[in-house]
Formats: sequence, C-alpha cells, structure tokens
Amino acid sequence: AQSVSQHNHHVILSEAASLELGCNYSYGGTVNLFWYVQYPGQHLQLLLKYFSGDPLVKGIKGFEAEFIKSKFSFNLRKPSVQWSDTAEYFCAVDPGSGNTGKLIFGQGTTLQVKP
Amino acid sequence: DVKVTQSSRYLVKRTGEKVFLECVQDMDHENMFWYRQDPGLGLRLIYFSYDVKMKEKGDIPEGYSVSREKKERFSLILESASTNQTSMYLCASGQGGNQPQHFGDGTRLSIL
Repeated sequence: AQSVSQHNHHVILSEAASLELGCNYSYGGTVNLFWYVQYPGQHLQLLLKYFSGDPLVKGIKGFEAEFIKSKFSFNLRKPSVQWSDTAEYFCAVDPGSGNTGKLIFGQGTTLQVKP
Repeated sequence: DVKVTQSSRYLVKRTGEKVFLECVQDMDHENMFWYRQDPGLGLRLIYFSYDVKMKEKGDIPEGYSVSREKKERFSLILESASTNQTSMYLCASGQGGNQPQHFGDGTRLSIL
C-alpha cells in the first residue's frame, strides 16, 4: 500500500541544536512533497514544498528540506532550533493524484525544544 | 490569505446522535477535504470533494458521509455517532495540481 513514514515520533532538543526529521514514501512515480507544521492550538500551515527543480528547497522560519529521489526521502532540516519551533511536523506526499491535490500524510513528529 | 472556517472548535455529543461538522472556505477552491487526526496516526483522509455534489471516499469513510451543495461549503456527517469517532477533525481546501492544501483550526469532537 502507498504510505508515508516519519521515523521520529517524538524529538526533544535544546535551543540552538540542529534538527533533522526523516520522511520516506513508497511511490515510484513523480510526486509532490510537502512539510506542514502545527503549532500548539493552531491550524496546520505549510512549511515548504517540492514539485520539481532544485532538490534542496527552503521554507519559512529557516527550515529546508532535501528531496533524494533514489532514497524516496524528503527530510526536513534546520541548523539551529528555537523554543518557538516546538510543534508537530507532518510530511505529506501527493502521489500524482491528478488535479485533486489529494495528500497522504505521515504519522507526524512532535518536536519539543527546551529553552 | 486563504480562510478555512470550521463551525465549532469543540463539540460534545452522545452515542447514536447524528452529528454535523461544517466547513467553509473563501478562496473558490475546487477541492475540499475532511481528515481526522489521532495521536500517532497522523492525518487520515475521510472523504474529499473535487466539485459541487461530487465526492470520493478517502481511507477511512466508514461511519461518515459528506455533503457539498455549494462550492464553498463541505459538511461532514456522522450518521450515528460512536465513541470511536472521538477525535480531532480537520477540514482543508485546495486548488489541486501542485498547490498546497489550506487547513481550518479543527473541531475536537467528543462522543460520550
């Protein structure tokens, strides 16, 4: 079955530490890739997206992600996290759903940043 | 800025009740989605709609139905609520293609 897997379910970091959250998907064709973030009490919002071109994409708030096609991965990174990055992070894949934009989401990773 | 509005942030209902969750978007998006969000399971698609009066089942449609009579409004219906439907429900809209989905604030539904 088609799936998206996020390896880390709960990550705890101190401020200024570097972050990498893993995301792997199981589709062989062309995909659109997204990372969403949900801050406590807020709605999901888009961090960044990849459709084509440069596999290293930059998003809001200093986040970036690298698409590695051979590894079916789209890992999220940030060089130095802040307390305000405490949130739940979701990787999502559009496996060529045509014009509906239908997404498959990973299980989510809860990031806790200690001040 | 895209606005997706869900009618309630919190809702408490009893088993067997018929429950309506409403969602309205203001960006004339073709596609609308209903998800449920549970800890450790991420977001799971219940139903989506790609046009007025058009709908398709998602991954977990059992026990739910939907209605889209107008482009901006997408309703989720729990025909006979059960305790295993206690969850956070998220509505989203999007233009499709490679455009991202936009989410509402969610409705935390408790079935007693």
